[in-house]
Amino acid sequence: GNSVTQMEGPVTLSEEAFLTINCTYTATGYPSLFWYVQYPGEGLQLLLKATKADDKGSNKGFEATYRKETTSFHLEKGSVQVSDSAVYFCALRSPGTYKYIFGTGTRLKVLA
Amino acid sequence: SAVISQKPSRDICQRGTSLTIQCQVDSQVTMMFWYRQQPGQSLTLIATANQGSEATYESGFVIDKFPISRPNLTFSTLTVSNMSPEDSSIYLCSVDAGLDSRNEQFFGPGTRLTVL
Repeated sequence: GNSVTQMEGPVTLSEEAFLTINCTYTATGYPSLFWYVQYPGEGLQLLLKATKADDKGSNKGFEATYRKETTSFHLEKGSVQVSDSAVYFCALRSPGTYKYIFGTGTRLKVLA
Repeated sequence: SAVISQKPSRDICQRGTSLTIQCQVDSQVTMMFWYRQQPGQSLTLIATANQGSEATYESGFVIDKFPISRPNLTFSTLTVSNMSPEDSSIYLCSVDAGLDSRNEQFFGPGTRLTVL
């Protein structure tokens, strides 16, 4: 079945450090891929998405590229801020379905 | 996009009691979903709620434990029945704009439930 695997956290970085959170997936066909962010005490918010191979999603300085050949959708940011401290979820959605498959989430803590 | 509100935002309940969580959307939507997020875990889909029909439950979830109502296109409730400490979780409502997989789902802020 479909699945999403994320790197385990927590990830602790200093402000302005480079961030990578790995995400790989298993799915039949061509799913859409998403990164959601959950700030402390809040619900999930869409951070970015990509709907086909080689698409790059970007938002708020975060980027992720849909790599079909490596079945990956790694999240990157060149310079993190304290305000980026949150839990990040990778997710996929297969065509013709409503169902999302979420990864286990990666907690990011950015220190000033 | 859709703006979703949930009530209550949090609650502490005694085992054996039931809690009903409300989800309100600012626009009419066909599909509404209920998720559970146990402490330190990912999101697990409980059920899909369509207006005018019975909810569709995922494996491991049953209607007797998690009855759902969907009286109209902007509102749904999830009841957590006969609660035990294992039901302590965040419960999230979400909506979907349609069967286009390029669309994202929008999530409510969640209801943080603690069962003593």
